Amino acid sequence: QSALTQPASVSGSPGQSITISCTGTSSDVGSYNLVSWYQQHPGKAPKLMIYEVSKRPSGVSNRFSGSKSGNTASLTISGLQAEDEADYYCCSYAGSSTHVVFGGGTKLTVL
Amino acid sequence: QVQLVQSGAEVKKPGASVKVSCKASGYTFTSYYMHWVRQAPGQGLEWMGIINPSGGSTSYAQKFQGRVTMTRDTSTSTVYMELSSLRSEDTAVYYCARVSTALDYWGQGTLVTVSS
Repeated sequence: QSALTQPASVSGSPGQSITISCTGTSSDVGSYNLVSWYQQHPGKAPKLMIYEVSKRPSGVSNRFSGSKSGNTASLTISGLQAEDEADYYCCSYAGSSTHVVFGGGTKLTVL
Repeated sequence: QVQLVQSGAEVKKPGASVKVSCKASGYTFTSYYMHWVRQAPGQGLEWMGIINPSGGSTSYAQKFQGRVTMTRDTSTSTVYMELSSLRSEDTAVYYCARVSTALDYWGQGTLVTVSS
């Protein structure tokens, strides 16, 4: 059982937009603007896509965006492309003892 | 460019220990903390702990307390993760990841297989 709750799967057609939710608590997502999102293709290491809730690292497409409201963070991917098909994980800072908690991951299928 | 290069795959018997290395390059090693994260086959990401390469201080997930030890060698810019008393459930890919305000760079992963 993961600390952060994500839907197990989402799907969308090319060109559409999808949103993946990530629900935590007032001890993690709700307390810190340190939510990040990672994309993982099969057999590969995770790749940082969003940090500090809504910031994009250099080189990440602006089709990826993040937001947060209360204890829930969200990742939105617009203009879906075939290469977006992957697993997505959210992550939040959770204080100096626990440090980091992950979501269980969401499998994105591009139809 | 920032690179984290991990040691190769390991096969261990139950009860044994494994030590995985992660060699950093392309940045000031002592300026960024390093996380260790593992992923069992078909499962999600699981945080194991964090090390400060500067002073060597560590913090471990409660689940691994007593079984995991993270160390560093500043002369070679390498961090290590040792897991003892291995059991089959420890079969996983183990990743090191540099942290700023997020885990911004990851190693390629090291597969540890625990099997009799």
